[in-house]
This record gives sequence, structure tokens and C-alpha cells, in this order.
Amino acid sequence: DTGVSQDPRHKITKRGQNVTFRCDPISEHNRLYWYRQTLGQGPEFLTYFQNEAQLEKSRLLSDRFSAERPKGSFSTLEIQRTEQGDSAMYLCASSPTSYLAGGPLEQFFGPGTRLTVL
Amino acid sequence: RKEVEQDPGPFNVPEGATVAFNCTYSNSASQSFFWYRQDCRKEPKLLMSVYSSGNEDGRFTAQLNRASQYISLLIRDSKLSDSATYLCVVHLRGKSTFGDGTTLTVKP
Repeated sequence: DTGVSQDPRHKITKRGQNVTFRCDPISEHNRLYWYRQTLGQGPEFLTYFQNEAQLEKSRLLSDRFSAERPKGSFSTLEIQRTEQGDSAMYLCASSPTSYLAGGPLEQFFGPGTRLTVL
Repeated sequence: RKEVEQDPGPFNVPEGATVAFNCTYSNSASQSFFWYRQDCRKEPKLLMSVYSSGNEDGRFTAQLNRASQYISLLIRDSKLSDSATYLCVVHLRGKSTFGDGTTLTVKP
């Protein structure tokens, strides 16, 4: 399967614990995005990488959230001291970059990691 | 006010109907525009990009009005398989902002 993969698919944790999610993008894609989605809402932008550089981070993201893409390939999203409000689906997407168009081409989403904080 | 606003619906239409979805965005500097489709408990998938000149893909037509900061999606001859949530997406300098989606149910 050459699509975007995410691991784990489901995570149940207790409030206050740290969790880490992994995303493996499509190999030739240099952009990688993280989103959070709750029921009835659209995906909410968290951050994105151009290769290994984290170029933008949402103001909504507290200091408890951190993301890395150390070698420009896979990425991790860590949430420290989880809270019940962190319960959501965490989606990763990747895309190539079209500099000619000034923006990205299609974003391909992974299946997501569903986080439940008890 | 949200950056991208959509009528949440739900839209319940019979097979064969024509249905239109609207989306407005607040940032006039927005660069790229898309419609994504999301099935229940699945990840979003690109339906089509939206260009100023308007574009059509089979039964689907997308329009962009930059002056009014408005995007539309028209679905003709609705099929049962069109039932999904349709997400309007606006992109600016690396950041994509999604609307909350419009839910469509096509009934026999």
C-alpha cells in the first residue's frame, strides 16, 4: 500500500498521560500536514512541514503539542499531559508541492488515529 | 466568524435531483480552493479543485467568485453513492482551512 499510513489507529489513554502518533506519508511527497477532527466539524489545521522544516503551527495548538519530521519522511505528533478535550481524530495528510501554481496539489489523507482520553 | 463557512445541511434529496452547496471564505488573499468528500468514519478525499473560470468533472461543477469570496459545488443527477459530507477547503501559504462540511443524503 503506497498511501499515507498512521499508527496507531486507535489510542485510549488516561488524562495526564503522554501519547505519540506516527504518520508515514507518500514517499515522494515533501509536504506533510497534521489535522484534528471532532464530530460534526471539519479537519482543523494543526501544523505542516515542508520536508523536515515545520513551517507553520496553529495558534490553537498549546505547548502540550509538538510535532517532528526529523528526516523529511515520517512524522510524529506528541501530546503531553493529555486532557479530555484532546479526544478527537488526528489526521495526517501529505502532498507534493507545485511551485508553479503557488500552492499544494491534492492532499492525501491517512486513515487517522482516534484518541480517547478518559 | 469562521474563516470558511458552509451550510451544514443536511440536504436530503431524491435520486436524480440537482443540489448545490455554497461556501464563503473570509481571507481575500486565499490562493487555492478545493472540494473534498468525506464518507462517514473515513478520511477526506479530494473531489475537485476549484478554478476562477469554473470547472466541471462529469456530474460535478465547481465555481469560484473571488470578488464575493464564494465557492459553489453543483451536483447533477444525484446518485445514492453521492451521500457524504462535502468539505470546502481554502488554502493560503501552506495552511489549508476546512469548512465544517455540508451533509448530503440521496434517497431512492
